[in-house]
Amino acid sequence: GAGVSQSPRYKVAKRGQDVALRCDPISGHVSLFWYQQALGQGPEFLTYFQNEAQLDKSGLPSDRFFAERPEGSVSTLKIQRTQQEDSAVYLCASSVSREGSYNSPLHFGNGTRLTVT
Amino acid sequence: AQSVTQPDIHITVSEGASLELRCNYSYGATPYLFWYVQSPGQGLQLLLKYFSGDTLVQGIKGFEAEFKRSQSSFNLRKPSVHWSDAAEYFCAVGRPGGYQKVTFGTGTKLQVIP
Repeated sequence: GAGVSQSPRYKVAKRGQDVALRCDPISGHVSLFWYQQALGQGPEFLTYFQNEAQLDKSGLPSDRFFAERPEGSVSTLKIQRTQQEDSAVYLCASSVSREGSYNSPLHFGNGTRLTVT
Repeated sequence: AQSVTQPDIHITVSEGASLELRCNYSYGATPYLFWYVQSPGQGLQLLLKYFSGDTLVQGIKGFEAEFKRSQSSFNLRKPSVHWSDAAEYFCAVGRPGGYQKVTFGTGTKLQVIP
């Protein structure tokens, strides 16, 4: 596709359920990022992949959050035993450059809005 | 670590009026600075960035920003606002190491009235 695609657009989960959010980056993009954007806040970094390698997961808020990118393209962010504080928009972004370099722009998807009830 | 402050949560301007959105950062060295725009239900789009050189940078959609080291500011400006500029604007500051080292501000929501 022409841009970064995220699915689903909206997800409602009951507290305690597991959810999986998908990100399809732009074809050929090496770097992939996940961000969490709470209501009224800016995006906060969660994790970064270079191809299939997860090079930085320092932003994951707890061990309930897990991300993978097994073939270096599509990525999945999984949240286990969801809590109300997990309600947010989850943004995925990709870049053609390695190591997340600023030399190339970051392309954002439209996000998945997760609501935990 | 670095931080960024956008002191205005919400700004309303009339169509055709000038606009300035404020951004202040905290970082010990020369930062990498960005302005992004987010329309409802959309991802973020880069308006402009500053890495080095000329402190006045031009971006897309007629926006510009000026880096002022003495004031630790990177304010976004537009001489004449259009109704389509209504959106949320995020200032971001990064340190060396790539986008994983970027911190976003809390955003300023711009409302444009006819």
